[in-house]
Amino acid sequence: KNQVEQSPQSLIILEGKNCTLQCNYTVSPFSNLRWYKQDTGRGPVSLTIMTFSENTKSNGRYTATLDADTKQSSLHITASQLSDSASYICVVTRRAPGGGNKLTFGTGTQLKVEL
Amino acid sequence: KAGVTQTPRYLIKTRGQQVTLSCSPISGHRSVSWYQQTPGQGLQFLFEYFSETQRNKGNFPGRFSGRQFSNSRSEMNVSTLELGDSALYLCASSLEGGGYEQYFGPGTRLTVT
Repeated sequence: KNQVEQSPQSLIILEGKNCTLQCNYTVSPFSNLRWYKQDTGRGPVSLTIMTFSENTKSNGRYTATLDADTKQSSLHITASQLSDSASYICVVTRRAPGGGNKLTFGTGTQLKVEL
Repeated sequence: KAGVTQTPRYLIKTRGQQVTLSCSPISGHRSVSWYQQTPGQGLQFLFEYFSETQRNKGNFPGRFSGRQFSNSRSEMNVSTLELGDSALYLCASSLEGGGYEQYFGPGTRLTVT
């Protein structure tokens, strides 16, 4: 079954600290993996997208890693800010039999950054 | 370039009614996907339209339908609304779909009473 599991479900950290969010998937055949940030009441915004051959990608203070062998990804946030408080969603794309792609979403990690 | 727009932003309907939601993609984008987001289930894929044709479909009942117009604007319809249909409905557009970057709209918050 194609699934994406994220951990932890929620996380509270102090401003300025680093944190790492995890994503494990069983989606096959793999096409790409994306991390999204979703602020409350808004649509998700893409942070990174990685294909099979990429094992790390950065976007400012956000760094995503991918281990396609173990089917694991992580999102590392450096020097957290209050504005990082949001839900972080891992999405894995697989190739659909009839063409195109299908996306499988994780349920997200709710991050709260406090003073 | 204007982003993805969705209308209406908020909607309250009664059980048994039907509803139509609208999505205008980013100019030049040909693929539009729809998602349902609920606190317990997270984001779930409804369907994807590309050049006016449904290209992919998620595991939702036939009460959920959609269409795409020649200008790439898309509508989603839900008939015979149930309480469980209360959710945030998100639309995302991309150039070609598939591996291309998706850009999400702000969503329509539907409440069924």
